[in-house]
Amino acid sequence: RKEVEQDPGPFNVPEGATVAFNCTYSNSASQSFFWYRQDCRKEPKLLMSVYSSGNEDGRFTAQLNRASQYISLLIRDSKLSDSATYLCVVSRSSASKIIFGSGTRLSIRP
Amino acid sequence: DGGITQSPKYLFRKEGQNVTLSCEQNLNHDAMYWYRQDPGQGLRLIYYSQIVNDFQKGDIAEGYSVSREKKESFPLTVTSAQKNPTAFYLCASSITDGAYEQYFGPGTRLTVT
Repeated sequence: RKEVEQDPGPFNVPEGATVAFNCTYSNSASQSFFWYRQDCRKEPKLLMSVYSSGNEDGRFTAQLNRASQYISLLIRDSKLSDSATYLCVVSRSSASKIIFGSGTRLSIRP
Repeated sequence: DGGITQSPKYLFRKEGQNVTLSCEQNLNHDAMYWYRQDPGQGLRLIYYSQIVNDFQKGDIAEGYSVSREKKESFPLTVTSAQKNPTAFYLCASSITDGAYEQYFGPGTRLTVT
């Protein structure tokens, strides 16, 4: 079983829709959590850190559920420009313990 | 503008040749990392360095080597011992260890034939 698992998708949703995806992690000692966005053939870019209390940045909301060991990303009022792969990252505060999920592909259609 | 630069963007080599990928950052970050990404896959850690003149192997270090002589620079050499070197190579940096977000360079796409 992978330490960090994501549904690979693709999620294909119409513009304006709300879409959510989860990322599960297996190690309860994980301490830091992030969502990155990666466009095709580009480098990953930090979308948001995920805090225990949950956090929101515009149309994006991230949640952490430590009891069930997953993090989630919700995108409201999706735009065509949201089409990308979303990577979940889990860290145990050591450089060797940063684990990237394989990513969830999101495609927004007009 | 602060950031991470990687060069070249595309690199083509013949099998059996060593090749060095450049990574430079001016973010004053202590930690630097090298990852490899294959199509449809997540990032896999090759090497990381938390301080000058020190570095550690990641999950897939075999066939690779690095140096960290300066804080700003963390070059990666792909040696002929690497069995399947064709991939997208990403360099990243962060303030310190993995508790902090990483910033990535634009990547180098290496093709070995």
